[in-house]
Amino acid sequence: DAGVIQSPRHEVTEMGQEVTLRCKPISGHDYLFWYRQTMMRGLELLIYFNNNVPIDDSGMPEDRFSAKMPNASFSTLKIQPSEPRDSAVYFCASGLAGGPGEQFFGPGTRLTVL
Amino acid sequence: GQQLNQSPQSMFIQEGEDVSMNCTSSSIFNTWLWYKQDPGEGPVLLIALYKAGELTSNGRLTAQFGITRKDSFLNISASIPSDVGIYFCAGRRTGTYKYIFGTGTRLKVLA
Repeated sequence: DAGVIQSPRHEVTEMGQEVTLRCKPISGHDYLFWYRQTMMRGLELLIYFNNNVPIDDSGMPEDRFSAKMPNASFSTLKIQPSEPRDSAVYFCASGLAGGPGEQFFGPGTRLTVL
Repeated sequence: GQQLNQSPQSMFIQEGEDVSMNCTSSSIFNTWLWYKQDPGEGPVLLIALYKAGELTSNGRLTAQFGITRKDSFLNISASIPSDVGIYFCAGRRTGTYKYIFGTGTRLKVLA
């Protein structure tokens, strides 16, 4: 079975540019999570969705960050405009509400903002 | 954001040795997860725990859900070089699907 798919795996951009990260959750999962990982702050939850609806976005750093989930098989995390301090690895994870509560992570997108 | 206290932060061990690490919280959790992350990859789920006192194994790995529900432990027996990586705990409170992650334990195995 395919796991969580993220694209791109690596993104290098210049400060001020718009960045869009993409995620395809595991088929049938109804929860989707976006995390950010840095050396300083570890793994932080940014936002999560249930049945395509944002449930908790309290971890989104500021208005430059936005996330959407237009359907059950696709989500985006957008940063506009990007800043060097946004450089991190961004992970998407998915889970099943009726299941035991496990979350499964994608391979991540390593973002570098110059 | 909030993080769980995980210890040790890092450890070097000899191949064949057993490894123990733990995770503590100030809050009561109803689910504990343990993950391993290899360089350049996403965390991979190792073990899930759902009940206080529960002891669950996955090959050479054994994890326990602390009876106070505020801690969890992971043991690796007879370590091998491929056990190298960062191990994370994650806890979840009742009524939410939101997990809080530990700070990670970096394991290095000397052959």
